[in-house]
Amino acid sequence: DQQVKQNSPSLSVQEGRISILNCDYTNSMFDYFLWYKKYPAEGPTFLISISSIKDKNEDGRFTVFLNKSAKHLSLHIVPSQPGDSAVYFCAASALQGAQKLVFGQGTRLTINP
Amino acid sequence: KAGVTQTPRYLIKTRGQQVTLSCSPISGHRSVSWYQQTPGQGLQFLFEYFSETQRNKGNFPGRFSGRQFSNSRSEMNVSTLELGDSALYLCASSLEGRGYETQYFGPGTRLLVL
Repeated sequence: DQQVKQNSPSLSVQEGRISILNCDYTNSMFDYFLWYKKYPAEGPTFLISISSIKDKNEDGRFTVFLNKSAKHLSLHIVPSQPGDSAVYFCAASALQGAQKLVFGQGTRLTINP
Repeated sequence: KAGVTQTPRYLIKTRGQQVTLSCSPISGHRSVSWYQQTPGQGLQFLFEYFSETQRNKGNFPGRFSGRQFSNSRSEMNVSTLELGDSALYLCASSLEGRGYETQYFGPGTRLLVL
């Protein structure tokens, strides 16, 4: 039972354009969401998070949007840079992070020059 | 400050064997969590240890076990290996285990079961 789903295994975007990565969840108890970035041979690194009390959170080039009614979140990267090429995981937790993290399958983002 | 280290980085085992993986957290971190990463499933939570006690556990069979030592180093053991156990095993450490923004992952141990 995949409670967090990233339906696009891969995404290719031109440098300078916007990258949009999507994530859907099924568990209505989830109220805390995070995005991680993972390079090959390295562990995931935290990118940005959002609580269910907000619908948007921004950090530099990265913005996460949360649509609670649709149980959908997205990560926008603007402008996309070659160094953004990585696998991106979304993750969710209940009780504002007190419960274990549930991850999606990941989306491989490739930024083309 | 040294990051989270995991040993060994690569491992090949055969079905039926057992394996022990090691994780050394960032100095001062008392919480260690373990995850299994497979292509189809993403990262799945195995368990979390805090101050030598298992605080949380995922939905894995009893063949998967772990422990934490007084210096916060943690080991994960998988007995009677199956082909499906082939995966990247990641550990992550944090100070108190709360606040995922301050949870840092190691590079992982890649296990191949033949």
